[in-house]
Amino acid sequence: DAGVIQSPRHEVTEMGQEVTLRCKPISGHNSLFWYRQTMMRGLELLIYFNNNVPIDDSGMPEDRFSAKMPNASFSTLKIQPSEPRDSAVYFCASSLTGTANTGELFFGEGSRLTVL
Amino acid sequence: QQQVKQSPQSLIVQKGGISIINCAYENTAFDYFPWYQQFPGKGPALLIAIRPDVSEKKEGRFTISFNKSAKQFSLHIMDSQPGDSATYFCAASNNNDMRFGAGTRLTVKP
Repeated sequence: DAGVIQSPRHEVTEMGQEVTLRCKPISGHNSLFWYRQTMMRGLELLIYFNNNVPIDDSGMPEDRFSAKMPNASFSTLKIQPSEPRDSAVYFCASSLTGTANTGELFFGEGSRLTVL
Repeated sequence: QQQVKQSPQSLIVQKGGISIINCAYENTAFDYFPWYQQFPGKGPALLIAIRPDVSEKKEGRFTISFNKSAKQFSLHIMDSQPGDSATYFCAASNNNDMRFGAGTRLTVKP
């Protein structure tokens, strides 16, 4: 089975440009998470969805960040306008929650964003 | 947002030695404590996990020790191997809310 698929793997853009990161969770998983990883702050939870509904977006840094999950198989994280301090690796993860939940998150390989 | 504190930041161990990484948490509502392993260029992957109803869990060379009263847990890697060189993250979760420690970069020297 395919794991969590993220695109693009690498993105280099200039300050002020819009950036869209994409994620396809594992089929059948009903929870999706966006994390940001930097050397200084480690892995930070930005937002998570359960059954396509945003549950907690308190980790989203500011209004320049937005995330959507229009259906169970696709999610986007958008940064508009981007700034150099947004440079990081962005991970998407999915899990299956419910009574049989193991709590395990399955991570994609990440999208490395560089904002010049 | 740092709800899980992890130490040390980095660790160098000789091949065959024991690697020990420690974590502490504040929120007593957390009920699932996993450890993730991350190799360069890859996403974190689940290594081993424990729930607070047991004090220890062992899987091969990896053991989690859990102290509920102290709100601390640790990962022990016995007979450490160069292939174990990676970044290790502890985490704690309640329902869907999983919070990670800052990570420990482990280097196992041959």
